[in-house]
Amino acid sequence: QKEVEQNSGPLSVPEGAIASLNCTYSDRVSQSFFWYRQYSGKSPELIMSIYSNGDKEDGRFTAQLNKASQYVSLLIRDSQPSDSATYLCAVRISSTLGRLYFGRGTQLTVWP
Amino acid sequence: DTEVTQTPKHLVMGMTNKKSLKCEQHMGHRAMYWYKQKAKKPPELMFVYSYEKLSINESVPSRFSPECPNSSLLNLHLHALQPEDSALYLCASSQDRPASTDTQYFGPGTRLTVL
Repeated sequence: QKEVEQNSGPLSVPEGAIASLNCTYSDRVSQSFFWYRQYSGKSPELIMSIYSNGDKEDGRFTAQLNKASQYVSLLIRDSQPSDSATYLCAVRISSTLGRLYFGRGTQLTVWP
Repeated sequence: DTEVTQTPKHLVMGMTNKKSLKCEQHMGHRAMYWYKQKAKKPPELMFVYSYEKLSINESVPSRFSPECPNSSLLNLHLHALQPEDSALYLCASSQDRPASTDTQYFGPGTRLTVL
């Protein structure tokens, strides 16, 4: 059983704050990690991918990966109301033909 | 360009109807995927095509029939669906390379309602 767990949420932060989204996974051979943003009624949109331990920054988004702890996180700096969405953590295991294992998602609300 | 297109955007069908969902990508990707997503749940994998061959079928009922006519197109044929099949149907594609950086990009989805 390959499990991906996300902090249950919902998460509510004020505009301008840092939003921290967390994800843990059970399979030690997990290889690639993705964060998708999904607005209500829309499809998932890739916002970050990370493959190596450490931090990866892209604008206001920072992904952090710690394979020893089986933990990946997403930080959103200077949160904006437009960041309000559900964030899906997805994990890819190389032995499973590219299959993605999704967490249940964390709903984020950024209030003005 | 990371665009995957899907048609139609919305579909309402009766339980006796036959309809098809279509997906297209022009990114040169060799893997294409169908997912089903119910409200407040993550996407649930249905089928995977790799180099136009069906590589994963997640024990999906036979009333869903996938087809991959060529490397750019993916269809999902629907027949005798049930109301519980109402959901957002998502298509995705990826390069399908062994490297860890293979990334799936999703289309906008088809909102299906079965009456």
